[in-house]
Amino acid sequence: QMQLQESGPGLVKPSETLSLTCTVSGGSISSSDYFWGWIRQPPGKGLEWIGHIFYSGSTYSNPSLKSRVTISVDTSENHFSLKLSSVTAADTAVYYCARTYNSHPYYFDSWGQGTLVTVSS
Amino acid sequence: EIVLTQSPGTLSLSPGERTTLSCRASQSVISSYFAWYQQKPGQAPRLLIYAASRRAPGIPDRFSGSGSGTDFSLTISRLEPEDFAMYYCQQYGSSLYSFGQGTKLEI
Repeated sequence: QMQLQESGPGLVKPSETLSLTCTVSGGSISSSDYFWGWIRQPPGKGLEWIGHIFYSGSTYSNPSLKSRVTISVDTSENHFSLKLSSVTAADTAVYYCARTYNSHPYYFDSWGQGTLVTVSS
Repeated sequence: EIVLTQSPGTLSLSPGERTTLSCRASQSVISSYFAWYQQKPGQAPRLLIYAASRRAPGIPDRFSGSGSGTDFSLTISRLEPEDFAMYYCQQYGSSLYSFGQGTKLEI
């Protein structure tokens, strides 16, 4: 069974770049069956889709974040990554990576456990 | 962007009861593109229902989804103690995803 695991710094300073990695185990990130996504959840609030990527590198991002978001994939390491630039306190959230299907990318069926990122000086 | 509005914000019920959670979209949503998730404190969301009415693998049959167009609902036929959690609806359209603000189901 495929599993996803987020990793990265738990504390980022304002105006800096948040960087997270999602490592996929139990399957290949190069599979043409899946897209790989990022979703976040501010403390006590709802879910916000950030973006997702295909193994070939094709990406889609939330227009509200697009100018600050970079999503990339490393097939040799079987992981994909998120960079969010110029962060502020509003970017404090639990960040989840998740999987959706290439053939029907309408929902996320497998999620990582999430990692809390706090933006603070 | 399609905005999803869930109601009610909080539901206070007892085990054994039946309940229906609602999600209204600001524009029509293709049923195949609509899903429900359950989230417990400190955990990631778990997919319950996809394509508006299809249960995800391993989801008990007391959970059912219905709806079309702009109105969708999630019904739990008989609440179990483990069902008390947050529930989110989600839609996909034009390569974008949006989530509702959630309904808290509390004992």
